[in-house]
Amino acid sequence: NAGVTQTPKFQVLKTGQSMTLQCAQDMNHNSMYWYRQDPGMGLRLIYYSASEGTTDKGEVPNGYNVSRLNKREFSLRLESAAPSQTSVYFCASRGDRGRNEQYFGPGTRLTVT
Amino acid sequence: SQKIEQNSEALNIQEGKTATLTCNYTNYSPAYLQWYRQDPGRGPVFLLLIRENEKEKRKERLKVTFDTTLKQSLFHITASQPADSATYLCALDSGGSYIPTFGRGTSLIVHP
Repeated sequence: NAGVTQTPKFQVLKTGQSMTLQCAQDMNHNSMYWYRQDPGMGLRLIYYSASEGTTDKGEVPNGYNVSRLNKREFSLRLESAAPSQTSVYFCASRGDRGRNEQYFGPGTRLTVT
Repeated sequence: SQKIEQNSEALNIQEGKTATLTCNYTNYSPAYLQWYRQDPGRGPVFLLLIRENEKEKRKERLKVTFDTTLKQSLFHITASQPADSATYLCALDSGGSYIPTFGRGTSLIVHP
């Protein structure tokens, strides 16, 4: 099993450009999450999806959109990137049936200039 | 507002000693608490979960305690090794939504 995979690993954007961060999991998990991690701020939830076809806002959703394409894939889109969105982005999925731990991907390091 | 506090200063210890990391919280009634390890440039990795009705949980050299009266969890690594050097995150969850809130993490540095 690959677990949670994310692409790309690194990305540099200019202000105003758009891009989509891809995430996929092969553990048949229902719940998936997108976080951003900034120095001194810890992990902050952007969006999550409790199941295929549903998405909900987290703590810091402004400037982002998400799509739960199917049970495996959960993408994060920046429509018009801003320097404040420079961060490391992590996708995660959560086990079901009482297993509450999250499994994280390797992250995408995004720089917006 | 809900607040989770982990020591922002790095913890430096000598190899072989026991490392103890602290997670304090306020305005929160977690159903369970988790600890994760994060290495530089990588995503967090789950280590242990402890529920509100459990006082202590162990896994190999790791031990977690959970005191809901003190609103505190302690994470211990016994016989620490340089390979244990990493940032350790605690995460709390009220249980209903399965959306944990993460602390900022504490860096542990084990010196040989």
